Parts: sequence; C-alpha cells; structure tokens
Amino acid sequence: QLQLQESGPGLAKPSETLSLTCTLSGGSITTSNYYWAWIRQPPGKGLEWIGTIYHTGSTFYSPSLKSRVTMSIDTSKSQFSLELNSLTAADTATFYCARVRVAATHRRWFDTWGQGTLVTVSS
Amino acid sequence: SYVLTQPPSVSVAPGQTARITCGGDRIGSKTVHWYQQKPGQAPLLVVFDDYDRPSGIPERFSGSNSRDTATLIITNVEAGDEADYYCQVWSSSPDHSYVFGPGTNVNV
Repeated sequence: QLQLQESGPGLAKPSETLSLTCTLSGGSITTSNYYWAWIRQPPGKGLEWIGTIYHTGSTFYSPSLKSRVTMSIDTSKSQFSLELNSLTAADTATFYCARVRVAATHRRWFDTWGQGTLVTVSS
Repeated sequence: SYVLTQPPSVSVAPGQTARITCGGDRIGSKTVHWYQQKPGQAPLLVVFDDYDRPSGIPERFSGSNSRDTATLIITNVEAGDEADYYCQVWSSSPDHSYVFGPGTNVNV
C-alpha cells in the first residue's frame, strides 16, 4: 500500500526559502494517470492546493503562489520536492504531500495523503 | 477563479442523516470529491466522482451533485463521524487548479 512521508525543517525564518521533500514507499512514482501534489493548511484554517507535478517533470502551480513556488521530482529516489521562497509568517502551515488520481481531464482527486509536517515561519 | 462555498458547521444527532452542501457556479458540470479530516490527522478521501466511495469507506457515505450544489450525505451518523469535511473540484482555469471548499465542521 502506498505511503507518503514529508520531511523538512519544522522552523524557517522570514524571507528565507523552505524546502520540503515527500518520499514514496509501497508504490511507483512513475505510474501513469497519477500526479503528485503539495497542499498546505494554516493552523485552524482550510486546505490550499500549492502545486502538482508529473513524473515527466511537468508542473502546475496555484496562481496565488506561482511566483514563489518550485516543485521538482527525482524518480530514482521516489521523491518529489517543494521549494517556497520569500517566506512570511502567513506561510506557517501544515504541509501535506498527496497523490492525485487523474481518471479523466476533469476528474482528479487526492487519493492518498502523507501525515503532514508543520512548518512555522518565525525569526 | 472558481469558488466553492460550504456552511461552517452542521449539527446532527447520532443515528440521523447529515447533509453537507458545497455550492459553486454550475458545479453540476464538474465532478466533486469529499474529504474527512479529524483533529490532528491528514484528510481522508471519503467520496470521489460525486458519489463513489474508496474501498474501506462505509456505505453510509454517499453524495450527489446537481446544478449549483453538491451534497455529501452521511446516513446513520456515528460519533466517529465528527470531523471537518471539505469538498474539492478541479478547474481548468486558471492554470489547472484544484479548488477546496472552506470546510464544514460536523458536530455529532
């Protein structure tokens, strides 16, 4: 059974760049019809999609975060990563990695989630 | 950008039926997916493609979607169903975006 595990620093400083990695186990990162995503959730608030990457390296980013986000993928390590720059306190959140099932163009959902990692932005 | 609306909270007695709505412009033309999130846990997919259930999700969870409202229906509600529920759609514009509703807290 597929499992996803986020890793990265729990604390980051304002204006710096956050780097997070998601590692897969029990499944393949190159399976067709699946994308890989990052989603965040500020404390006490709702879910926000950050971006999505395919195993070919093709990416899509949230318009609101596009200028600050970079995603990458390393198929040899079964990992994909997130970089978020120019951090502010508003970026404090639990960050989740997830698998996206793409059944058809308009049918896409997050079928497997990591446990999440809390990142606090503070000096 | 596409916007989804949900009631902040829904209260339901054990054994009764909970209906959680998700509103959006012509949402009936999209497919809607629902996630359950309990405190301190990651979201869990409970309904996909408007009304289908992943394996392991009880038949008590179902959904519907028509015109401007999608609905998650939980029958015979149990104390363990108390959680936040989020709807989600995929929108082709802008930029192939995944949109979540603001979430509904179900109180049993």
